Amino acid sequence: DQQVKQNSPSLSVQEGRISILNCDYTNSMFDYFLWYKKYPAEGPTFLISISSIKDKNEDGRFTVFLNKSAKHLSLHIVPSQPGDSAVYFCAAATGTASKLTFGTGTRLQVTL
Amino acid sequence: DTAVSQTPKYLVTQMGNDKSIKCEQNLGHDTMYWYKQDSKKFLKIMFSYNNKELIINETVPNRFSPKSPDKAHLNLHINSLELGDSAVYFCASSQISPTEAFFGQGTRLTVV
Repeated sequence: DQQVKQNSPSLSVQEGRISILNCDYTNSMFDYFLWYKKYPAEGPTFLISISSIKDKNEDGRFTVFLNKSAKHLSLHIVPSQPGDSAVYFCAAATGTASKLTFGTGTRLQVTL
Repeated sequence: DTAVSQTPKYLVTQMGNDKSIKCEQNLGHDTMYWYKQDSKKFLKIMFSYNNKELIINETVPNRFSPKSPDKAHLNLHINSLELGDSAVYFCASSQISPTEAFFGQGTRLTVV
């Protein structure tokens, strides 16, 4: 039973354009959401997070949007750069649980 | 000065063997984790330790035994290795909440 889903396994975007990565969740107890970025042969690195009390969080080129009623979040990267090419994992947590539940990842390819 | 380091990076071993993966973090975090990324790229938590105490054990076979000699180290011992244990194992650490966990580079275990 996958509680965090990333339905797009891959996404290709031109450099300079916006990349939008989507994530859906089923567990209404999740109250904290994170995005991780992973390069090959490396561990995931934290990118940005959002608490369920907010609907938007912005950090430079990265913005995460949360729609609690739809149980959906998205990561916007603008403008996209070739160095953004990586696998992006969505993750969720509850305030009392000491673990992250990950989606299956979306591979982003930013082309020149 | 790697934040979370795990060794070895690659491990190839025969079925039935016993092996260990070591993990150390120098971030002063209270909580450490082991995650497993299988061939389908699912990244799932296996164990979580807080100040050397086991707090999460996600229905992992008891052939897997984590050991935490101190809060900066969490090692993973695997007995009687099976083909299905082949995966990438990631160590991670965080402060007491699960947010913004820092991951090691991963250990690719191949059982032949």
